Amino acid sequence: GDSVTQMEGPVTLSEEAFLTINCTYTATGYPSLFWYVQYPGEGLQLLLKATKADDKGSNKGFEATYRKETTSFHLEKGSVQVSDSAVYFCALSDRYSNSGYALNFGKGTSLLVTP
Amino acid sequence: DSGVTQTPKHLITATGQRVTLRCSPRSGDLSVYWYQQSLDQGLQFLIQYYNGEERAKGNILERFSAQQFPDLHSELNLSSLELGDSALYFCASSGTGTLGTDTQYFGPGTRLTVL
Repeated sequence: GDSVTQMEGPVTLSEEAFLTINCTYTATGYPSLFWYVQYPGEGLQLLLKATKADDKGSNKGFEATYRKETTSFHLEKGSVQVSDSAVYFCALSDRYSNSGYALNFGKGTSLLVTP
Repeated sequence: DSGVTQTPKHLITATGQRVTLRCSPRSGDLSVYWYQQSLDQGLQFLIQYYNGEERAKGNILERFSAQQFPDLHSELNLSSLELGDSALYFCASSGTGTLGTDTQYFGPGTRLTVL
């Protein structure tokens, strides 16, 4: 079935450093791809989404491009802040029969940004 | 704030007991999803309802059941609870918004502790 693989963390960066979190996927079709962020003690917040090849999702300085040729959706940010410390989840929209669907998540990557 | 509400925030109970978790979707959303987040399994999809009908079923145990009511709120019932059921349970909804009908918005979660 469809699946998502994320780089393992934790990732520790200094403030203003460049961030890349790798995500690759396996899918039979062309699913929508997502990044969600979970701050300590909170629920999942949608960060960005892309729906087709070469689509770029962006939000709050974060970007990710849907790469069909490499089946990847890597998350990037040019300059991280301490407030970006959180767990980041890559996900794809998995289609079920009967018009149902669900999100299939990677294991999450913990990011710690130090001052 | 995603607009999805979940109650209760925390639940502590004993093995063998039964509990009910409640979720209200964002205004206008017809789909409700339930997910379980645990340290060993990560984020696992349990079940989806659309306008009162079950649409997709994931890794939901037979001891667990859900339903969606005419006012679109949903309940997840967990019975014969075991220690391993301790986890965060998230509800999400989708259907409205500018990012497409497959974009899911998550509630803050219910933390279940089984003693």
